[in-house]
Amino acid sequence: SAVISQKPSRDICQRGTSLTIQCQVDSQVTMMFWYRQQPGQSLTLIATANQGSEATYESGFVIDKFPISRPNLTFSTLTVSNMSPEDSSIYLCSAGMGQNTEAFFGQGTRLTVV
Amino acid sequence: DAKTTQPPSMDCAEGRAANLPCNHSTISGNEYVYWYRQIHSQGPQYIIHGLKNNETNEMASLIITEDRKSSTLILPHATLRDTAVYYCMFGGSNYKLTFGKGTLLTVNP
Repeated sequence: SAVISQKPSRDICQRGTSLTIQCQVDSQVTMMFWYRQQPGQSLTLIATANQGSEATYESGFVIDKFPISRPNLTFSTLTVSNMSPEDSSIYLCSAGMGQNTEAFFGQGTRLTVV
Repeated sequence: DAKTTQPPSMDCAEGRAANLPCNHSTISGNEYVYWYRQIHSQGPQYIIHGLKNNETNEMASLIITEDRKSSTLILPHATLRDTAVYYCMFGGSNYKLTFGKGTLLTVNP
């Protein structure tokens, strides 16, 4: 299994500002993903973080709003840009060890935008 | 999207087996069935996954029907700490997992 650490665990931010969330995995992984969980809802995939290339975004999510970096096989960041109260959610990092194997999740970053 | 159907909620008595059903009739032949759970305010926790044979680990058993259109997650002796939202999904060949609404399992004393 993989242990995934996210920072910060929570934050309260002013609208119009940006927040960068870090995700660190304790071992090299093939794939990393970012999810959003809005209050009372299920998880929605934002994007796949690709090592050494641009992230692959799901429908409804764009790079300008959610820029993602993945400089190596154990680390990724997600930035929530120009935040509004609608961005208040839990943001979760996930890492997959290989095709058709299980993925593991961090504990999430609880973001509140005021 | 990989769509599954689960009951929105279920109850189970502590110490009894919890049987959580899932319908995944559009699953393709090479896609695995995955189960995760999310305890309030925590990240999702992996439980088990399988292709077509029944699987068992220290947490649960997974029973997949022969036509692979449905499955059942079995928690053999539910405890209060098993109260959570349980998600059934299929996929994995492209590493992506699509979460549905899940089943809120409440284990009662």
